[in-house]
Amino acid sequence: DGGITQSPKYLFRKEGQNVTLSCEQNLNHDAMYWYRQDPGQGLRLIYYSQIVNDFQKGDIAEGYSVSREKKESFPLTVTSAQKNPTAFYLCATAGQGGYGYTFGSGTRLTVV
Amino acid sequence: AQSVTQLGSHVSVSEGALVLLRCNYSSSVPPYLFWYVQYPNQGLQLLLKYTSAATLVKGINGFEAEFKKSETSFHLTKPSAHMSDAAEYFCAVGTSGTYKYIFGTGTRLKVLA
Repeated sequence: DGGITQSPKYLFRKEGQNVTLSCEQNLNHDAMYWYRQDPGQGLRLIYYSQIVNDFQKGDIAEGYSVSREKKESFPLTVTSAQKNPTAFYLCATAGQGGYGYTFGSGTRLTVV
Repeated sequence: AQSVTQLGSHVSVSEGALVLLRCNYSSSVPPYLFWYVQYPNQGLQLLLKYTSAATLVKGINGFEAEFKKSETSFHLTKPSAHMSDAAEYFCAVGTSGTYKYIFGTGTRLKVLA
């Protein structure tokens, strides 16, 4: 079955540590996105990519980095510069035609 | 620029009662509109979408939404709430040719026994 795989489901980060969240898709979608979700704040866009080797900052890109070396993969690194990284992170993809996003099951990141 | 507003961050209904979740949008071009549902600790799942065809859109789990251009609204309804409908619901807007959608802040639906 086609879909999006986010891993790990739960992740714990120590202060000053970089961590990488994985997002893999086999839907053959061109566009991929990373959203951060905090209670009561809806979804906030971190980064998105419409094509391999190209990506754009979203609304809250500071303290995050991404790469898009393959169509299937769009990993997100939460760097030590992100001072409040505890949140639920969602990866999404979109194909052509305006059919909306397909979401992964999310990664919950907690700072310990 | 596009935007979407969901009125009511929390809505409570009795089991068997009508569900009405409100969404108003702003768009300078014909919009695509979506409703998503999210259960705790899960990703978002597409409930239904409007992409300029029929204005009354039927989705999964008995939900439907009506696109009203004059009111710039896309409210989500279900005739009879079920306990399993308790979740958070997000409205989103986009346009043809763009890959980027704008989400509302969500409405948490509580179903009372």
